[in-house]
Amino acid sequence: EPEVTQTPSHQVTQMGQEVILRCVPISNHLYFYWYRQILGQKVEFLVSFYNNEISEKSEIFDDQFSVERPDGSNFTLKIRSTKLEDSAMYFCASSESGRAKNIQYFGAGTRLSVL
Amino acid sequence: AQSVTQLDSHVSVSEGTPVLLRCNYSSSYSPSLFWYVQHPNKGLQLLLKYTSAATLVKGINGFEAEFKKSETSFHLTKPSAHMSDAAEYFCVVNSNQAGTALIFGKGTTLSVSS
Repeated sequence: EPEVTQTPSHQVTQMGQEVILRCVPISNHLYFYWYRQILGQKVEFLVSFYNNEISEKSEIFDDQFSVERPDGSNFTLKIRSTKLEDSAMYFCASSESGRAKNIQYFGAGTRLSVL
Repeated sequence: AQSVTQLDSHVSVSEGTPVLLRCNYSSSYSPSLFWYVQHPNKGLQLLLKYTSAATLVKGINGFEAEFKKSETSFHLTKPSAHMSDAAEYFCVVNSNQAGTALIFGKGTTLSVSS
């Protein structure tokens, strides 16, 4: 069964450093997403991406964050200058389309620890 | 605004007994509702979804959920728990009618004892 793959599984970085989280969505999917879950809190939507541009973003997704599809298979989330409060589990997801009924398929997540 | 509330943060059952994980939703229109499960070190896996068809929805691994508009509930049930059901369960609603962002509940940890 096709799956969403995220690397690395755990990323440790120093405050102020740039970090890139990588995702390989399911190959025939067209919509891509990032979510995050701070320890003990809800999973929160960050951004959705379609046709090489952001289609929707939350208040959390400020100028420190950016997303990119650098090639035909990868989807990345960049945090330019990490803060302690960016420590969280980051989930990538993909779906065939953006309709409400469509299923989003999630990866196993990348745990980001900012020291 | 859309929201979901999972009424229990932790549910413990014995193997072979029924499972009930409770979820209430708030929506200004007919929502799409989902249950996802997360096993340790695994991704979020879809258990089942409701998208305005049948109100009783059957999912994988013997789970089902019933959409009750009058009670704004979407509780997850399983007749007989198995040890492998121990995991974190999330009730999820779409954020708007365009549907790209999902809104998650806080999750319910299900423990199954032998």
